[in-house]
Amino acid sequence: EDKVVQSPLSLVVHEGDTVTLNCSYEVTNFRSLLWYKQEKKAPTFLFMLTSSGIEKKSGRLSSILDKKELFSILNITATQTGDSAVYLCAVASANNAGNMLTFGGGTRLMVKP
Amino acid sequence: GAVVSQHPSRVICKSGTSVKIECRSLDFQATTMFWYRQFPKQSLMLMATSNEGSKATYEQGVEKDKFLINHASLTLSTLTVTSAHPEDSSFYICSASSVYYEQYFGPGTRLTVT
Repeated sequence: EDKVVQSPLSLVVHEGDTVTLNCSYEVTNFRSLLWYKQEKKAPTFLFMLTSSGIEKKSGRLSSILDKKELFSILNITATQTGDSAVYLCAVASANNAGNMLTFGGGTRLMVKP
Repeated sequence: GAVVSQHPSRVICKSGTSVKIECRSLDFQATTMFWYRQFPKQSLMLMATSNEGSKATYEQGVEKDKFLINHASLTLSTLTVTSAHPEDSSFYICSASSVYYEQYFGPGTRLTVT
């Protein structure tokens, strides 16, 4: 059974801090790992990672995948209150029925002024 | 805990037919369920929010007569794509939430309309 585990479950920091969110997975037929930011409605896509060791970066956010150790991290530097959200990690895999997405439980980040 | 299942995981249907997708919360009672559609570039679009025992709230641009949502119990919501067309082919994902508002996502259903 495919499994995605995120840690920590929740995190409270102050503006300007740097945070690291973790996502570990156990899936068969791995295809890609996705990070989403969820504030109110639909999760907003952040990154898709398919190759180990290649950092993806967008502004203050960056992410990297380790396919050997089966985990990914999402870094946010110089956090702002607008970064407060639930961050979701999902792993896309292929099985006999086709593609599927397995979501982690999310990390709830709160950034205080 | 907090497991959400979807059935079927994959379905192929002919244009003009209707398809029903089930979303179940297996080990908790979901007062609210959400239906999403995944678009290219991995974005997820919220289609509708359903609360048990009441009508679903559809997002702007989503046809409620085409995408019928029923949330008959605290553990089951269904999405029926009526008169499906090839442009409805997509990956549909549900999530479920208890009163503490933490969404748990299902594994998705791949719909292909030929």
